[in-house]
Amino acid sequence: AQKITQTQPGMFVQEKEAVTLDCTYDTSDQSYGLFWYKQPSSGEMIFLIYQGSYDEQNATEGRYSLNFQKARKSANLVISASQLGDSAMYFCAMREGRYNFNKFYFGSGTKLNVKP
Amino acid sequence: DVKVTQSSRYLVKRTGEKVFLECVQDMDHENMFWYRQDPGLGLRLIYFSYDVKMKEKGDIPEGYSVSREKKERFSLILESASTNQTSMYLCASSLISPNSYEQYFGPGTRLTVT
Repeated sequence: AQKITQTQPGMFVQEKEAVTLDCTYDTSDQSYGLFWYKQPSSGEMIFLIYQGSYDEQNATEGRYSLNFQKARKSANLVISASQLGDSAMYFCAMREGRYNFNKFYFGSGTKLNVKP
Repeated sequence: DVKVTQSSRYLVKRTGEKVFLECVQDMDHENMFWYRQDPGLGLRLIYFSYDVKMKEKGDIPEGYSVSREKKERFSLILESASTNQTSMYLCASSLISPNSYEQYFGPGTRLTVT
C-alpha cells in the first residue's frame, strides 16, 4: 500500500487566491512526522512545514498551513494568497521512526501553476 | 546552515559503465539517503544509511549499491549503468531523533545513460 498519496497531479490557482493541496498517509506508528516540500523548476527541495503526530495545533509557517486531520490520516497543505513564485512541484512526505533511524516516504507530487 | 553537496549536477554515461555519485554533508548527521526522482513517481528511496558502514535497502535497490566509509560521505554506485537508470538522483541527510524536523537535500544529479 502507498504510504503517501497525493491525488492531484496538477492544479491551477489564480494569483492571490488560496489553494489546498491534498495528502493522505498510511502508518500504524503512533509517532510520526509529516512534511511538505517545494521543488521549483531549478530542482532544489525546499522544506516548507512540519507537523508532528502528537501536535494538537495545525502547523503554520507564514502563508503555509497544514490542515492535520489525524483520524482521516490527511495532511493537506493550504497556501494562502498565492503568488507567481509559488508555481512549483509540491511533495508531501512522512517520517516514521524505527529504532535508531528515521525512514521517509514521499508522495508523487502535485504540480501547482499560479496564473496571473 | 546545513549543506549537502553532490559531486555533479549533470552526468552523461554509457551503458555498462560503473558510475559513482558522491554526496557530502557538513552537519554531522547520522542518517543519509539516496533517492531517485522520476516524473509522476515522486521520490523513491534507493538506499539509506544510519551510521558509518551501515546501510539499509530502500524501495528500489536493484542495480545500485552504496558505501559509507565516513560519516559525512555517502556514495551511490551503479555497478553497470543501464538506460532505465537515467533519472534525477537526490541525496539527503537528517539527524536521528523522533523530533527531527526535516531532511536536508543536495541540489541533485541529473544522470543520463546512453
